This record gives sequence, C-alpha cells and structure tokens, in this order.
Amino acid sequence: EVQMLASGGGLAQPGGSLRLSCAASGFTFSNYAMTWVRQAPGKGLEWVATLSSGGGDTYYADSAKGRFTISRDNSRNTLFLKMDNLRADDTATYFCAKHDQFVVTYGLDVWGQGTTVAVS
Amino acid sequence: QSVMTQPPSASGTPGQKVTISCSGSRSNIGSNYVYWYQQFPGTAPKVLISRSNQRPSGVPERFSGSKSGSSASLAISGLRSEDEADYYCAAWDDSLSGWVFGGGTHLTVL
Repeated sequence: EVQMLASGGGLAQPGGSLRLSCAASGFTFSNYAMTWVRQAPGKGLEWVATLSSGGGDTYYADSAKGRFTISRDNSRNTLFLKMDNLRADDTATYFCAKHDQFVVTYGLDVWGQGTTVAVS
Repeated sequence: QSVMTQPPSASGTPGQKVTISCSGSRSNIGSNYVYWYQQFPGTAPKVLISRSNQRPSGVPERFSGSKSGSSASLAISGLRSEDEADYYCAAWDDSLSGWVFGGGTHLTVL
C-alpha cells in the first residue's frame, strides 16, 4: 500500500524555522516527483513546492521562494520541506503528495495525512 | 484570487447529476492535464479524476471528468449523501512553472 507519513509540524515563532519530513513507503520513491501543498484553516488548497524525481529540479510558489527549500533523500524514501523566516500566514496544514509520474506536470495521486504548522 | 476559477458552492438532491466547472487559461488547463480532488473536513484530499478524464482504481463510475479548451468539468451522477465534500481542480501552469488549484467548490446534498 502506498503511504506517506508527514511529520515535523508544530508551533513556531515569527521569523523561526521548521523542517517537515514525509516518509514514503509502498512504491519506488526515487521514480516519482513529489510536492508539498498547504491548506490554511478554513481555506482552499495552495501549492507550495515541487521536486523532480532525481531532486535536480525544484519549483516554488511565490509565497515560498527564498524562504522554503524542498529536498529529498531517495536512499531513505523521505521528502523534506525546510521552512525559514516563518510568517503568521504560513499557518496551515502541510500535505506531502506523490505525483503519478516522474514528470512534474503530471498530477498528484496519493496524499499524506498532513502535519500542522502554527506560527505565532 | 485563484488562477483557476470554480464556483464556491454547488448543490443537488440524491440521484441528481451535478456538474462543477473549472475555468483556467491556455497556460494551465489549455496545455496540461486537469486533476480533480475530493476532500472531507479534517482529511487529506483524494484524487477523483486524473489526466483530465481518467478514473483511478476504486473511484465510482458516477464521477467523470472532461476538458474543453481552457475549461474543465467534474460531473457527479446519481448523487449520494456521502458525496457532500469539497472539490478542487488542479493543473500545471506553464507560465508560472508551478501547480495551480481552483478555489474549491463545496457540494451540498440536499
């Protein structure tokens, strides 16, 4: 069974940092692009960042550029999101998700359960 | 303001057919596949339609997707009470070099 387990969320102060992790299992992790999507309380889904299967190509939403870094360790089947200089409007549940192909333009087919970040 | 526009709400009675629209542009829906996601409160989204019109394994045939030009639609036939949820469209945007989501549509089953 394909699964992603996100962790690392919590309470952070404005200007602080957090590193989210997403442990994947049930598929060949290194063959698929991966993405982080967030959802602020009561709001819709917002794309945050995408990483190619090999880790060489990264894509960021404007809200994340310069502050967030997406990375992966294919030997540990784990996706990361390092978040620096956190702001109150980064408060959200963060979901990791697997693309249905190695190509980043193909969409997300399996989502993790989410981890909650509160900046206050 | 989302790059792709969905109606904020939709409704129908059990057994009816409901259609949710998603309006984008040439750089997203017009050039790439559309995906549709269903989300219940407090849970992660689940894919309903992939690559504009394909139903992943386990998704009932009542759900169907279509795309024409820069717009896409999700149709739900034989509406059931358990379909009451939020629905989001998504596509890659070539101009933004990133993913865009519609604002979401809350479906109420009356």
